[in-house]
Amino acid sequence: EADIYQTPRYLVIGTGKKITLECSQTMGHDKMYWYQQDPGMELHLIHYSYGVNSTEKGDLSSESTVSRIRTEHFPLTLESARPSHTSQYLCASSGSGEQYFGPGTRLTVT
Amino acid sequence: LAKTTQPISMDSYEGQEVNITCSHNNIATNDYITWYQQFPSQGPRFIIQGYKTKVTNEVASLFIPADRKSSTLSLPRVSLSDTAVYYCLVGDISHYGQNFVFGPGTRLSVLP
Repeated sequence: EADIYQTPRYLVIGTGKKITLECSQTMGHDKMYWYQQDPGMELHLIHYSYGVNSTEKGDLSSESTVSRIRTEHFPLTLESARPSHTSQYLCASSGSGEQYFGPGTRLTVT
Repeated sequence: LAKTTQPISMDSYEGQEVNITCSHNNIATNDYITWYQQFPSQGPRFIIQGYKTKVTNEVASLFIPADRKSSTLSLPRVSLSDTAVYYCLVGDISHYGQNFVFGPGTRLSVLP
């Protein structure tokens, strides 16, 4: 079983607040990803990283930012949350094969 | 990246075998075929991966014809708990710079 964790699982926050979604993995994987998914809709890649100090934007434009200072940690930050950011955010990691996904963070911005 | 096409939805009954076919006409020589399963409010979970012919594990089989332009995920004797979205992805898993695109997937509904 893969060991990838996300916190918080659920978050309700007001407009304009700064938030950081945490993602950690204990598998030593170099590659990590952030996806955004609305209910019943497709997953969209918003950020990825191939290793420490490597970060790239994904296919879907996002106002969030990420950092990769340690191999196991890949946090996502929203400087000023808006209702349009309401969604589920999924973190994943991979070594040389399949991706392992975390449980996700369901974010609601009021 | 190889584009994939799969049915948007499928219905089945408990105990039946379900086959979901994915088309990937422009698959490249180094590409592998990977299937994921996703339940509501959860992240996708790896089911099976293959390169050619047939791969089988404890939950599914993957059939890949010689031309590799399509693949079929086979779920034996499905139960209600197999109701989920199934994604077919194609790509070079060893290529460091490649990302995989999750399309809309196939929404499988298993009925009692």
